Amino acid sequence: GAGVSQSPRYKVTKRGQDVALRCDPISGHVSLYWYRQALGQGPEFLTYFNYEAQQDKSGLPNDRFSAERPEGSISTLTIQRTEQRDSAMYRCASSLVGSGTGELFFGEGSRLTVL
Amino acid sequence: EDQVTQSPEALRLQEGESSSLNCSYTVSGLRGLFWYRQDPGKGPEFLFTLYSAGEEKEKERLKATLTKKESFLHITAPKPEDSATYLCAVRWGGNTPLVFGKGTRLSVIA
Repeated sequence: GAGVSQSPRYKVTKRGQDVALRCDPISGHVSLYWYRQALGQGPEFLTYFNYEAQQDKSGLPNDRFSAERPEGSISTLTIQRTEQRDSAMYRCASSLVGSGTGELFFGEGSRLTVL
Repeated sequence: EDQVTQSPEALRLQEGESSSLNCSYTVSGLRGLFWYRQDPGKGPEFLFTLYSAGEEKEKERLKATLTKKESFLHITAPKPEDSATYLCAVRWGGNTPLVFGKGTRLSVIA
């Protein structure tokens, strides 16, 4: 498909386990963003990349969260030693270059449930 | 302190009943205000970008306007298919990411 693809769509894990969420952006999109969205709230910024370089990780809640985009395309958001408070919808978005026009293309998200 | 505040939280309209959604922001040096639509279970979908006070953008029944401290999304003669959550986001300075508000849940009843 031509859109942003995220996997898995749903992930249920036990507290203390590590999880990896994957994002495949639209082909040719330079910038890739990770957001977290709680029910009834707007997306909350986590981190973003231009090509393979992580430009801003100020939104990552703590050092259990990390992200990479080694070849400037697919990105992985990793949460180590998951906690119940990490349960949320994790959304990836991509754009051509930066967020200047504000036109981000969002994927359908990965819903994480930590038991 | 929230940088982006949207009101009302929820709005219920009859089909054809025009209204406006509000987005106020506290950041200085605004580099853009953005409106998105989000359907249940889906990711946000881009609608408009506004850069400067006085600017207006239109798309079908929607018109977005911007002042120095707030933006309005006007919905003219809405239809049930306009039901969704409408999100406002801002960007300021350099290469900063979008900061989203909590959204307004719009329901249009036939």
